[in-house]
Amino acid sequence: DIQMTQSPSSLSASVGDRVTITCQASQDISNYLNWYQQKPGKAPKLLIYDASNLETGVPSRFSGSGSGTDFTFTISSLQPEDIATYYCQQYDNLPRTFGPGTKVDIK
Amino acid sequence: QVQLQESGPGLVKPSQTLSLTCTVSGGSISSGSYYWSWIRQPAGKGLEWIGRIYTSGSTNYNPSLKSRVTISVDTSKNQFSLKLSSVTAADTAVYYCARETEDIVVVPAVDYYMDVWGKGTTVTVSS
Repeated sequence: DIQMTQSPSSLSASVGDRVTITCQASQDISNYLNWYQQKPGKAPKLLIYDASNLETGVPSRFSGSGSGTDFTFTISSLQPEDIATYYCQQYDNLPRTFGPGTKVDIK
Repeated sequence: QVQLQESGPGLVKPSQTLSLTCTVSGGSISSGSYYWSWIRQPAGKGLEWIGRIYTSGSTNYNPSLKSRVTISVDTSKNQFSLKLSSVTAADTAVYYCARETEDIVVVPAVDYYMDVWGKGTTVTVSS
Protein backbone atom coordinates (compact mmCIF):
# COMPACT_ATOMS: atom_id res chain seq x y z
CA ASP A 1 0.00 0.00 0.00
CA ILE A 2 1.07 3.58 -0.60
CA GLN A 3 1.45 5.36 2.74
CA MET A 4 0.42 9.00 2.98
CA THR A 5 1.69 11.36 5.66
CA GLN A 6 0.60 14.92 6.43
CA SER A 7 2.03 17.75 8.43
CA PRO A 8 1.24 19.37 10.65
CA SER A 9 -1.36 17.18 12.35
CA SER A 10 -3.08 20.33 13.57
CA LEU A 11 -2.66 24.09 13.33
CA SER A 12 -4.22 27.28 14.62
CA ALA A 13 -4.26 30.40 12.51
CA SER A 14 -5.98 33.76 12.44
CA VAL A 15 -8.68 34.79 10.02
CA GLY A 16 -6.99 36.07 6.89
CA ASP A 17 -3.81 34.07 7.41
CA ARG A 18 -2.23 31.94 4.73
CA VAL A 19 -2.36 28.27 5.73
CA THR A 20 -0.19 25.55 4.22
CA ILE A 21 -0.46 21.79 4.68
CA THR A 22 1.98 19.28 3.26
CA CYS A 23 1.32 15.72 2.17
CA GLN A 24 3.95 13.14 1.34
CA ALA A 25 3.53 9.82 -0.43
CA SER A 26 5.71 6.79 0.27
CA GLN A 27 6.39 6.43 -3.45
CA ASP A 28 6.04 8.43 -6.63
CA ILE A 29 2.35 8.99 -7.37
CA SER A 30 2.84 11.51 -10.18
CA ASN A 31 0.05 14.06 -9.69
CA TYR A 32 -2.59 11.49 -8.69
CA LEU A 33 -3.63 13.22 -5.49
CA ASN A 34 -6.90 14.62 -4.14
CA TRP A 35 -7.66 16.90 -1.19
CA TYR A 36 -10.82 16.70 0.91
CA GLN A 37 -12.33 18.89 3.61
CA GLN A 38 -14.28 17.33 6.45
CA LYS A 39 -16.24 19.42 8.90
CA PRO A 40 -17.28 17.90 12.25
CA GLY A 41 -20.11 15.43 11.88
CA LYS A 42 -20.12 15.73 8.10
CA ALA A 43 -18.94 13.68 5.17
CA PRO A 44 -15.71 14.62 3.40
CA LYS A 45 -16.01 17.06 0.53
CA LEU A 46 -13.78 17.03 -2.53
CA LEU A 47 -11.83 20.28 -2.91
CA ILE A 48 -8.97 19.51 -5.29
CA TYR A 49 -8.24 16.65 -7.67
CA ASP A 50 -5.22 15.83 -9.81
CA ALA A 51 -3.07 17.68 -7.26
CA SER A 52 -4.03 21.16 -8.43
CA ASN A 53 -7.44 21.19 -10.10
CA LEU A 54 -10.14 22.98 -8.15
CA GLU A 55 -13.45 21.15 -7.96
CA THR A 56 -16.37 23.12 -9.39
CA GLY A 57 -17.85 25.51 -6.87
CA VAL A 58 -14.89 25.46 -4.49
CA PRO A 59 -13.61 28.94 -3.53
CA SER A 60 -10.44 30.06 -5.24
CA ARG A 61 -8.68 30.65 -1.91
CA PHE A 62 -8.04 26.90 -1.90
CA SER A 63 -5.19 25.61 -4.04
CA GLY A 64 -2.93 22.62 -4.41
CA SER A 65 0.43 21.89 -5.96
CA GLY A 66 3.12 19.25 -6.19
CA SER A 67 3.94 16.02 -7.95
CA GLY A 68 5.90 12.87 -7.33
CA THR A 69 5.97 12.39 -3.57
CA ASP A 70 5.55 15.90 -2.17
CA PHE A 71 2.37 17.95 -2.27
CA THR A 72 1.10 21.18 -0.77
CA PHE A 73 -2.40 22.41 0.03
CA THR A 74 -2.92 26.11 0.66
CA ILE A 75 -5.69 28.32 1.95
CA SER A 76 -4.66 31.81 0.85
CA SER A 77 -6.82 33.66 3.36
CA LEU A 78 -8.31 31.58 6.15
CA GLN A 79 -12.03 32.10 6.75
CA PRO A 80 -14.08 31.01 9.78
CA GLU A 81 -15.98 28.50 7.63
CA ASP A 82 -12.70 26.75 6.76
CA ILE A 83 -12.49 25.18 10.21
CA ALA A 84 -12.23 21.51 9.37
CA THR A 85 -9.92 18.56 8.97
CA TYR A 86 -8.19 18.26 5.63
CA TYR A 87 -7.16 14.95 4.08
CA CYS A 88 -4.99 14.09 1.12
CA GLN A 89 -5.71 10.88 -0.81
CA GLN A 90 -3.75 9.10 -3.52
CA TYR A 91 -5.28 7.40 -6.52
CA ASP A 92 -2.15 6.17 -8.21
CA ASN A 93 -2.82 2.68 -6.96
CA LEU A 94 -5.24 0.44 -5.09
CA PRO A 95 -6.09 0.43 -2.29
CA ARG A 96 -6.94 4.09 -2.16
CA THR A 97 -5.20 5.55 0.89
CA PHE A 98 -5.70 8.76 2.81
CA GLY A 99 -3.37 10.86 4.87
CA PRO A 100 -4.05 11.04 8.62
CA GLY A 101 -5.56 14.49 8.32
CA THR A 102 -4.70 18.02 9.40
CA LYS A 103 -7.08 19.77 11.77
CA VAL A 104 -7.34 23.52 11.15
CA ASP A 105 -8.61 25.83 13.91
CA ILE A 106 -9.04 29.56 14.31
CA LYS A 107 -6.62 31.18 16.73
CA GLN B 1 -27.80 16.13 -8.89
CA VAL B 2 -26.78 12.70 -7.67
CA GLN B 3 -27.25 12.00 -3.97
CA LEU B 4 -26.28 8.98 -1.89
CA GLN B 5 -27.93 7.67 1.27
CA GLU B 6 -26.64 4.88 3.50
CA SER B 7 -29.01 2.64 5.40
CA GLY B 8 -28.75 -0.39 7.65
CA PRO B 9 -28.59 -1.52 11.28
CA GLY B 10 -26.78 0.78 13.66
CA LEU B 11 -25.88 -2.06 16.01
CA VAL B 12 -24.29 -5.37 15.08
CA LYS B 13 -23.21 -8.14 17.42
CA PRO B 14 -19.62 -9.39 17.39
CA SER B 15 -18.95 -12.23 14.93
CA GLN B 16 -22.03 -11.32 12.91
CA THR B 17 -22.22 -9.72 9.47
CA LEU B 18 -22.57 -5.99 8.99
CA SER B 19 -24.86 -5.15 6.06
CA LEU B 20 -25.33 -1.69 4.63
CA THR B 21 -27.03 -0.35 1.52
CA CYS B 22 -26.39 2.84 -0.38
CA THR B 23 -29.27 4.22 -2.42
CA VAL B 24 -28.42 6.41 -5.39
CA SER B 25 -30.90 9.13 -6.34
CA GLY B 26 -30.87 11.80 -9.03
CA GLY B 27 -29.15 9.57 -11.56
CA SER B 28 -28.74 6.00 -12.74
CA ILE B 29 -26.16 3.83 -11.03
CA SER B 30 -25.54 2.20 -14.41
CA SER B 31 -24.66 5.29 -16.40
CA GLY B 32 -21.33 7.01 -16.71
CA SER B 33 -17.84 6.01 -15.66
CA TYR B 34 -18.26 5.63 -11.95
CA TYR B 35 -17.05 3.36 -9.21
CA TRP B 36 -19.37 2.99 -6.23
CA SER B 37 -17.30 2.94 -3.06
CA TRP B 38 -17.37 2.35 0.66
CA ILE B 39 -15.16 4.21 3.14
CA ARG B 40 -15.22 4.08 6.93
CA GLN B 41 -14.03 6.28 9.76
CA PRO B 42 -13.71 5.18 13.41
CA ALA B 43 -14.62 7.90 15.86
CA GLY B 44 -11.90 10.53 16.04
CA LYS B 45 -9.75 8.78 13.46
CA GLY B 46 -8.97 8.96 9.76
CA LEU B 47 -10.56 7.57 6.63
CA GLU B 48 -10.15 3.97 5.49
CA TRP B 49 -11.09 2.86 1.99
CA ILE B 50 -12.99 -0.44 2.08
CA GLY B 51 -13.59 -1.12 -1.59
CA ARG B 52 -15.56 -0.31 -4.71
CA ILE B 53 -17.69 -1.78 -7.45
CA TYR B 54 -18.04 -0.77 -11.07
CA THR B 55 -21.37 -0.87 -12.80
CA SER B 56 -20.16 -3.93 -14.68
CA GLY B 57 -19.96 -5.69 -11.33
CA SER B 58 -16.19 -5.82 -11.08
CA THR B 59 -14.91 -5.18 -7.58
CA ASN B 60 -11.77 -4.04 -5.80
CA TYR B 61 -11.23 -4.50 -2.08
CA ASN B 62 -8.76 -3.27 0.49
CA PRO B 63 -6.42 -6.23 1.12
CA SER B 64 -6.67 -5.58 4.85
CA LEU B 65 -10.40 -6.43 4.72
CA LYS B 66 -10.65 -8.51 1.57
CA SER B 67 -11.34 -11.83 3.28
CA ARG B 68 -14.40 -10.36 5.02
CA VAL B 69 -15.83 -7.89 2.49
CA THR B 70 -18.38 -8.25 -0.27
CA ILE B 71 -19.68 -5.32 -2.30
CA SER B 72 -22.55 -5.86 -4.70
CA VAL B 73 -24.80 -3.78 -6.91
CA ASP B 74 -28.52 -3.95 -7.66
CA THR B 75 -29.12 -1.84 -10.74
CA SER B 76 -32.87 -2.43 -10.65
CA LYS B 77 -33.05 -0.69 -7.27
CA ASN B 78 -30.28 1.81 -8.02
CA GLN B 79 -28.44 0.56 -4.94
CA PHE B 80 -25.13 -0.94 -3.96
CA SER B 81 -24.36 -2.80 -0.78
CA LEU B 82 -21.62 -3.68 1.66
CA LYS B 83 -21.31 -6.86 3.68
CA LEU B 84 -18.57 -7.22 6.27
CA SER B 85 -18.44 -10.56 8.03
CA SER B 86 -17.08 -11.66 11.40
CA VAL B 87 -17.16 -8.15 12.81
CA THR B 88 -15.40 -7.09 16.00
CA ALA B 89 -15.34 -3.88 18.01
CA ALA B 90 -12.60 -2.65 15.68
CA ASP B 91 -15.21 -2.41 12.91
CA THR B 92 -17.18 0.21 14.85
CA ALA B 93 -17.15 3.30 12.67
CA VAL B 94 -19.07 5.75 10.54
CA TYR B 95 -19.54 4.11 7.16
CA TYR B 96 -19.76 6.29 4.07
CA CYS B 97 -20.74 5.41 0.54
CA ALA B 98 -19.25 7.53 -2.21
CA ARG B 99 -19.10 7.85 -5.97
CA GLU B 100 -15.61 7.73 -7.45
CA THR B 101 -15.59 9.39 -10.84
CA GLU B 102 -13.25 8.11 -13.54
CA ASP B 103 -12.23 11.20 -15.51
CA ILE B 104 -10.32 10.46 -18.69
CA VAL B 105 -8.81 13.82 -19.57
CA VAL B 106 -5.84 12.85 -21.72
CA VAL B 107 -5.13 9.18 -22.38
CA PRO B 108 -3.37 7.45 -20.68
CA ALA B 109 -3.76 9.81 -17.73
CA VAL B 110 -6.97 9.15 -15.85
CA ASP B 111 -8.13 11.04 -12.79
CA TYR B 112 -10.20 9.43 -10.07
CA TYR B 113 -11.93 11.38 -7.35
CA MET B 114 -14.71 10.79 -4.84
CA ASP B 115 -16.97 13.68 -5.66
CA VAL B 116 -20.28 12.56 -4.17
CA TRP B 117 -20.62 11.22 -0.65
CA GLY B 118 -23.46 10.00 1.51
CA LYS B 119 -23.95 11.56 4.93
CA GLY B 120 -22.61 8.46 6.63
CA THR B 121 -24.14 5.98 9.03
CA THR B 122 -22.78 4.95 12.40
CA VAL B 123 -22.35 1.25 13.02
CA THR B 124 -21.50 0.00 16.48
CA VAL B 125 -20.31 -3.54 17.08
CA SER B 126 -21.34 -4.60 20.55
CA SER B 127 -23.13 -7.43 22.29
